[in-house]
Amino acid sequence: AQSVAQPEDQVNVAEGNPLTVKCTYSVSGNPYLFWYVQYPNRGLQFLLKYITGDNLVKGSYGFEAEFNKSQTSFHLKKPSALVSDSALYFCARGDSNSGYALNFGKGTSLLVTP
Amino acid sequence: GAGVSQSPSNKVTEKGKDVELRCDPISGHTALYWYRQSLGQGLEFLIYFQGNSAPDKSGLPSDRFSAERTGGSVSTLTIQRTQQEDSAVYLCATLPGSFSYNEQFFGPGTRLTVL
Repeated sequence: AQSVAQPEDQVNVAEGNPLTVKCTYSVSGNPYLFWYVQYPNRGLQFLLKYITGDNLVKGSYGFEAEFNKSQTSFHLKKPSALVSDSALYFCARGDSNSGYALNFGKGTSLLVTP
Repeated sequence: GAGVSQSPSNKVTEKGKDVELRCDPISGHTALYWYRQSLGQGLEFLIYFQGNSAPDKSGLPSDRFSAERTGGSVSTLTIQRTQQEDSAVYLCATLPGSFSYNEQFFGPGTRLTVL
């Protein structure tokens, strides 16, 4: 099955330190990948996506992610975390060969402490 | 412009009752998804509407679940004879056009609690 995995339920990082939220994806087909963020009691907000082209994609709020085909990963990164980055992060996978449904990971809770 | 709105924001019901959840998409967005977000389970795809085409209902977990979209705009998700396992946050997302590699715009969700 085409899927995406987020191996960490929670990531803790001190403010000002770099952060990484991990995501791996199933390699079959022609995948494209997203990161979404969910703040408490709110819907998901788009951060960034990889469709094709440059493997390093930059998104909102200073986040970036690198599409790594050999490692089948699409980790979300930020050089310097802010307390306000604390939220739930979802990686999602789509496939241009199999329509419109996205498969979402289970989410990773990011906690940035002052 | 207004984003995707959902109502009610919270719904508490008794087991066995029927509930209706509403989604108002962004004007002009032709594609509409319903998802279910259960604690620790990520987002589960339920149903997809695209314009006037027949919806993809492949994600609906049982025949107690149904959805409709009137006039290509407002959508209603109905759960009949609710069960405790239906308790979750139900999210609606829309996007312009039919290309799923465009970003989806999510509503704030409806938190359903079945007692």
